[in-house]
Amino acid sequence: QKEVEQNSGPLSVPEGAIASLNCTYSDRGSQSFFWYRQYSGKSPELIMSIYSNGDKEDGRFTAQLNKASQYVSLLIRDSQPSDSATYLCAVKGSTLGRLYFGRGTQLTVWP
Amino acid sequence: KAGVTQTPRYLIKTRGQQVTLSCSPISGHRSVSWYQQTPGQGLQFLFEYFSETQRNKGNFPGRFSGRQFSNSRSEMNVSTLELGDSALYLCASSLGGRENTEAFFGQGTRLTVV
Repeated sequence: QKEVEQNSGPLSVPEGAIASLNCTYSDRGSQSFFWYRQYSGKSPELIMSIYSNGDKEDGRFTAQLNKASQYVSLLIRDSQPSDSATYLCAVKGSTLGRLYFGRGTQLTVWP
Repeated sequence: KAGVTQTPRYLIKTRGQQVTLSCSPISGHRSVSWYQQTPGQGLQFLFEYFSETQRNKGNFPGRFSGRQFSNSRSEMNVSTLELGDSALYLCASSLGGRENTEAFFGQGTRLTVV
């Protein structure tokens, strides 16, 4: 069973703060990692992908990957109320190549 | 370019009926995966099709089936519907290779079983 665990929410931060979302995975051979954002009643939207150890920045979003620790995180800088959503961590399995999703962390950014 | 298209967007069915959902992937994408999402269970993987072959399968009963056509469009069928099948059904398409590829979701089909 390939497991993906996300830090339990909900997470609530004030506008302008940094939101930190964390994810651990069990498949040591995984090489591809993704973050999706899902607004209530909508489908998941891919916001970040990361394949190498270290940081990857895209605007206000930074994904961090540490394969040795089997840990991936998403930082949202200067959080906005429009960032309020559920964030899903997804890991591509090394054996079957399918995506494994965490249960998501609900983020609320209050003005 | 066009995204992933799922039809219909909403569906109401009666217990015992069957239903077919459709997913048209992004042009050039050969992999289509299906997921069931409910508030209590999160995203549950149903199956993945790649080049008309089922490549992966989740832990759902045989009432849930799928297929993929030569143009990569995929259909999912649920027979003998139960109240518990009420959910948002999502499909995601990707290039499908073993290398690093991103998956993109359609808008989903919200199924209500009454």
